[in-house]
Order: sequence, then C-alpha cells, then structure tokens
Amino acid sequence: SQKIEQNSEALNIQEGKTATLTCNYTNYSPAYLQWYRQDPGRGPVFLLLIRENEKEKRKERLKVTFDTTLKQSLFHITASQPADSATYLCALDNTDKLIFGTGTRLQVFP
Amino acid sequence: GAGVSQSPRYKVAKRGQDVALRCDPISGHVSLFWYQQALGQGPEFLTYFQNEAQLDKSGLPSDRFFAERPEGSVSTLKIQRTQQEDSAVYLCASSSHMGYNEQFFGPGTRLTVL
Repeated sequence: SQKIEQNSEALNIQEGKTATLTCNYTNYSPAYLQWYRQDPGRGPVFLLLIRENEKEKRKERLKVTFDTTLKQSLFHITASQPADSATYLCALDNTDKLIFGTGTRLQVFP
Repeated sequence: GAGVSQSPRYKVAKRGQDVALRCDPISGHVSLFWYQQALGQGPEFLTYFQNEAQLDKSGLPSDRFFAERPEGSVSTLKIQRTQQEDSAVYLCASSSHMGYNEQFFGPGTRLTVL
C-alpha cells in the first residue's frame, strides 16, 4: 500500500542554522509534491509545490528537492528563525486529492 | 481578503448524536475538500467536490458520514450517530482548480464525542 514517511521525532535546531526535513514515499509515483506548514490550532498553509520533472525549487529561505528515483523530497529552511517553529507536512497527489504525511515538528531555539 | 471559514470551531457531542459541520470556501473556488486530522497525524482525505458534484468520497470512513455542496459553494459535512472514534479535527480546504494547485485550508472544527 502507499506509504508516506516523515521524521516522527521533533527536530530541534539553533537559530541561524539550516533545518532539513525529509519526506519518503513508497508504492507511489506522484506527479507533484507539496509542502505545508501547520501551527497549533490552525489549518495547514501552503508553502511550495514541486513537479516530478523538477529537481529543485526555491522560495526565499525555503528550498525543496524532489528525487523520484530515491522517492524522497527534502525541505530546507536556511537561516532558521524561532518563528519557523511549526509542524511541516509533505503531501503527494493521488489523482484528484492529496495524501499527507504525518508531519515533522520543527523547533528553532534562540 | 476572506479565507476559508469553518463553523463551529468546536463541537462537543454525546455519542449517538448527529452533527453538521459547515465550510465556506474562498469565493469562486471550484474544488472543495474535507479532511479528518487525528492528534499528531497528518490530514486524511475524506471527500472532494468540483462545484456541486461530489467526485470522490472514497475516504469517508462509514455510511454515517455524508457531505454535500448543493450550490457549489458552501459545504456541509454531516456525521450521524457519532462515535468516540469520530473525535478529531475536521478540516476543509478549497482550490481554484482541480489538481496541481495549492489548497487553502480553514481553521478546522474540533469535534469531541463523549
């Protein structure tokens, strides 16, 4: 069956460092992949979309890679700030809907 | 501008009660999605509308769950004879087109079944 895995453990990093979050999937060939941010008590907020024919995409301090051979996406936040602390979700398309991973909680401390 | 709104934000129901959760998508958005999110998990797909047509309801966990979008805008998710396992946050999202587009999420309705 299709499976999407994200780091289940929380990621704690120091302000100013680069945070790298991983999304792995199996039994699946998505056409595109999205990353969302979710704060406690709120709905997810879209960050980036990357298509299967794109290797990398950037937006300000964010960078996403998509390796369809490894079946993996990496999400990087450079020069991290305490305000970046949140849960980050990867989501893969399945025809007309998104399948979400469990999310990784990122904590950036001063 | 107005985003996706959901009401109520919190709902407490006794087991066996029926509940109705409302979603107001962004005006003009064609696609509307319902998700269920358990604590510590990612959102799980329930159902999808394109305008008023329900194109996919494969994620609805049982026939106690029913969703509608009669005029292609506001949507209601109804849960009949609620059970404790229905306790979760129910998220609604809308999108301007189907597929390949970001989804805009509402704040969710937290349902607690006692």
